[in-house]
Amino acid sequence: EAQVTQNPRYLITVTGKKLTVTCSQNMNHEYMSWYRQDPGLGLRQIYYSMNVEVTDKGDVPEGYKVSRKEKRNFPLILESPSPNQTSLYFCASGDQGPYGYTFGSGTRLTVV
Amino acid sequence: AQSVTQLGSHVSVSEGALVLLRCNYSSSVPPYLFWYVQYPNQGLQLLLKYTSAATLVKGINGFEAEFKKSETSFHLTKPSAHMSDAAEYFCAVTRNTGGFKTIFGAGTRLFVKA
Repeated sequence: EAQVTQNPRYLITVTGKKLTVTCSQNMNHEYMSWYRQDPGLGLRQIYYSMNVEVTDKGDVPEGYKVSRKEKRNFPLILESPSPNQTSLYFCASGDQGPYGYTFGSGTRLTVV
Repeated sequence: AQSVTQLGSHVSVSEGALVLLRCNYSSSVPPYLFWYVQYPNQGLQLLLKYTSAATLVKGINGFEAEFKKSETSFHLTKPSAHMSDAAEYFCAVTRNTGGFKTIFGAGTRLFVKA
């Protein structure tokens, strides 16, 4: 089944404790992206990747890191999480171009 | 700068009634337009897309949207609402600016009353 898999689905952590949210896709997509979803703000792009070893900042990159060492994986790293990073996070992947994206099921992160 | 405006953060309709969710965009070049649906505790799912072919686009679950360049709109409609349509709907615009950049609207939550 074609899908984007995120883990974990839910995570509660404390301020400053490094964490990684994993994202993997099995569709051989070149493009992958991370979004955060907050009430009333829709989805805001954090980082995206056009291909292996090619990443770039989205609209809200502060406090986040990413890497793209393999085509299928695009982990999101929070080196020192803060409470304002409490949010619902989505990974998405797609072919290059205006074809739309496939989204993961989301990771609900709470930073206390 | 491109932007997407969804009019109405919440829309409530009765079962069997017309569904109309509004989306307006601003873009200096012809955009690619999308509607996504998000059911509770799930990720977004592509509902339909406009990529400069027919202006009336049909999607899944009986939804359709019409691209109106003169009004810079891409409203989503469904003739008869079903309880299972209750979800959040997002309009999105993709523009090619040397790479494809997508911006999402803030979302509209659809409630369907029995």
